[in-house]
Amino acid sequence: GESVGLHLPTLSVQEGDNSIINCAYSNSASDYFIWYKQESGKGPQFIIDIRSNMDKRQGQRVTVLLNKTVKHLSLQIAATQPGDSAVYFCAESLPPGGSYIPTFGRGTSLIVHP
Amino acid sequence: DSGVTQTPKHLITATGQRVTLRCSPRSGDLSVYWYQQSLDQGLQFLIQYYNGEERAKGNILERFSAQQFPDLHSELNLSSLELGDSALYFCASSSGSWSYEQYFGPGTRLTVT
Repeated sequence: GESVGLHLPTLSVQEGDNSIINCAYSNSASDYFIWYKQESGKGPQFIIDIRSNMDKRQGQRVTVLLNKTVKHLSLQIAATQPGDSAVYFCAESLPPGGSYIPTFGRGTSLIVHP
Repeated sequence: DSGVTQTPKHLITATGQRVTLRCSPRSGDLSVYWYQQSLDQGLQFLIQYYNGEERAKGNILERFSAQQFPDLHSELNLSSLELGDSALYFCASSSGSWSYEQYFGPGTRLTVT
């Protein structure tokens, strides 16, 4: 597949382990945060989002945690599977009235070993 | 398969040339978004169209333009190409006027030589 980025931070885990991918965002006024997954040779795929008035949101096998005090976002993947291997990146956007166009992070490469 | 199609998959062209990238959104989606993904800049939003009208504009160069046709497919036109325009160009679609839950196509890999 095509490479979408070089020298990305890499997280290697064993199949079945839980994975935690971290993201530091830049704008304390950001109101909305999104996680995307991008497999090799494919376009990004929406995973989960969270508003700034929440500190935790759960989806299917994924949990996003938001710490506004330190401008930190994390994505937890439970029982990681080989199919979870991909680049994961977060995005932030401003509240209504500001620009809702997202600013994307550079991403973290997750490698799941069977 | 997201349901979004993009053509061509690969495009190689020379500096100074003009190319057109095409995108067909998922059936029923009215919004089309264009993104550029390069190794040094990461993923960047370029422009959005909703039901034929330009809705939002990001870091899109003046040499680039886009349009959405009545059948809702969209084209991104890149002109006076430079080496730095080499990148992956993604199209995404959603049903509403803006959604972060966008469905991305497989991308067009543009190489400018």
